[in-house]
Amino acid sequence: EAGVAQSPRYKIIEKRQSVAFWCNPISGHATLYWYQQILGQGPKLLIQFQNNGVVDDSQLPKDRFSAERLKGVDSTLKIQPAKLEDSAVYLCASSFAGDQPQHFGDGTRLSIL
Amino acid sequence: QKEVEQDPGPLSVPEGAIVSLNCTYSNSAFQYFMWYRQYSRKGPELLMYTYSSGNKEDGRFTAQVDKSSKYISLFIRDSQPSDSATYLCATDSYSGAGSYQLTFGKGTKLSVIP
Repeated sequence: EAGVAQSPRYKIIEKRQSVAFWCNPISGHATLYWYQQILGQGPKLLIQFQNNGVVDDSQLPKDRFSAERLKGVDSTLKIQPAKLEDSAVYLCASSFAGDQPQHFGDGTRLSIL
Repeated sequence: QKEVEQDPGPLSVPEGAIVSLNCTYSNSAFQYFMWYRQYSRKGPELLMYTYSSGNKEDGRFTAQVDKSSKYISLFIRDSQPSDSATYLCATDSYSGAGSYQLTFGKGTKLSVIP
């Protein structure tokens, strides 16, 4: 079974620029999550999708972050404009259903200069 | 007070030692408890998943939950250098629409020295 795929693995941008991350979940997984992991911290949930609908985006900074999951499969997370404090690893996870264990991708490491 | 507290370490032990990793949580509504292992530059990997108080064993790993004191532990027997990683505890709470949300601790960085 192929795991959760994420790209790019690394991204370096300057503050105020925009950036987008892509996630392809495990085939058949209905629930998709985006997490932010700052160095030395545990992952923090940004947004949760069930198929192509949003279940929870209460911790997503909506003034600069947006996410979509078209057709209930792949998802993109965008930051516009980026701030220095957005430097982190952005992890995507998926699960078969909302009450099933989550499987993580290897993340995108974002550095803001 | 953070909902899940975990000593970040780092923790360094000799090969073959028994390792004890611990977390406390504050919200008694948490129902499910997990341990994830995260290697450097990799995503978290689910190790153990428990619901009730008591012990759950899987090979060299034992997860222990004490809901009365809101304390969760992971024990690693006969530790190996390949166990060197960051260990994250997590709890699972209902977020609506049949879905659950994970709350993670900060993670404990473990090094097993040959």
